[in-house]
Amino acid sequence: QKEVEQDPGPLSVPEGAIVSLNCTYSNSAFQYFMWYRQYSRKGPELLMYTYSSGNKEDGRFTAQVDKSSKYISLFIRDSQPSDSATYLCAMSETSGGSYIPTFGRGTSLIVHP
Amino acid sequence: NAGVTQTPKFQVLKTGQSMTLQCAQDMNHNSMYWYRQDPGMGLRLIYYSASEGTTDKGEVPNGYNVSRLNKREFSLRLESAAPSQTSVYFCASSQGTGPYEQYFGPGTRLTVT
Repeated sequence: QKEVEQDPGPLSVPEGAIVSLNCTYSNSAFQYFMWYRQYSRKGPELLMYTYSSGNKEDGRFTAQVDKSSKYISLFIRDSQPSDSATYLCAMSETSGGSYIPTFGRGTSLIVHP
Repeated sequence: NAGVTQTPKFQVLKTGQSMTLQCAQDMNHNSMYWYRQDPGMGLRLIYYSASEGTTDKGEVPNGYNVSRLNKREFSLRLESAAPSQTSVYFCASSQGTGPYEQYFGPGTRLTVT
């Protein structure tokens, strides 16, 4: 079992829908949680970043971390066709001097007009 | 600022051939990384360089070598390519190996026949 599990999808939704993307993890030492967005044939780019538990909002995007359940989510409100991409969760520890993230497999999101 | 650049963008090799993938960053970052991305497998770390003069193995280092040529450049070498190395290769850089954002290059699509 991988340390980080993410459903690859694809997830297909109509424009304007609320999208929920999720990851589960097994390593309780993970403290930093990130979401990367990757458009087709491009490199990933950081979308949001949270530390420890709680919520973080940025425009239409909300990242949520539930450390007790080892579960993180990314919500996209009023989804747009331009949101169509693969979303990768990533997480890393804070101890041991290495914060190199462990990535999930990515969820492919398709927002159709 | 070009960010992270990779060459070549595409490459086709025959089994047993060798090649070097080049990566350069102009953000004065200390740390650099090589990942491979395969369908359904997500991003897997091959090697990384925490700082100039150091390199370390990641999750899947077999069949690869790296060189941190200077602070800007980090190359990945396949000495004897195998079909299992068919993948998309991404180089990334970050300020350090702390909880910093990783910036990714556009990727190299490698096919080994």
